[in-house]
Amino acid sequence: QKEVEQNSGPLSVPEGAIASLNCTYSDRGSQSFFWYRQYSGKSPELIMSIYSNGDKEDGRFTAQLNKASQYVSLLIRDSQPSDSATYLCAVYSSGYSTLTFGKGTMLLVSP
Amino acid sequence: GAVVSQHPSWVICKSGTSVKIECRSLDFQATTMFWYRQFPKQSLMLMATSNEGSKATYEQGVEKDKFLINHASLTLSTLTVTSAHPEDSSFYICSASPRGEPDEQYFGPGTRLTVT
Repeated sequence: QKEVEQNSGPLSVPEGAIASLNCTYSDRGSQSFFWYRQYSGKSPELIMSIYSNGDKEDGRFTAQLNKASQYVSLLIRDSQPSDSATYLCAVYSSGYSTLTFGKGTMLLVSP
Repeated sequence: GAVVSQHPSWVICKSGTSVKIECRSLDFQATTMFWYRQFPKQSLMLMATSNEGSKATYEQGVEKDKFLINHASLTLSTLTVTSAHPEDSSFYICSASPRGEPDEQYFGPGTRLTVT
């Protein structure tokens, strides 16, 4: 059974702070990991992908993957109010040939 | 790149009528397309997965005779909500995986359906 778990939040951070979003997954054979951002009333938007252990940075975003711990995280540096959204973690396993989404963590960045 | 469109973006229909929603991959060929439904303040719920030229695979609890999916080409999938009822009012979102990249999904902008 494949599961992707996220804290539903909301996670509240002040503007300029680092927001840390976490995700755990159950299928040890998972290979690809993604973070999507979904603004209220909009569809999800792919913002980061990571495939190997370690960190991957893209602008203010850093994805971290630890396959041994079955843990993936997203750090947002210098958080802005425009980052306020729900962040969805998604995990792909070739064994199941599906992308499984977590329920999302709501992030609120206050000015 | 990897743009997915949906049409219409919103639709209002009367109870008992049918509504068709189109999902197109604009700049890539999509071997697999997905249909999701999302109620307000709730998470995405996968309804069905469709592969070009074959029947869709529906998730448990989704009525395949009510939600008709046709994946006629590598760039087009349609979802038809038949005999719509107010409880079908929701945000319907499609996504598509490019050929050769089954792990990636790109989402359309969604269609907001209101059944009166």
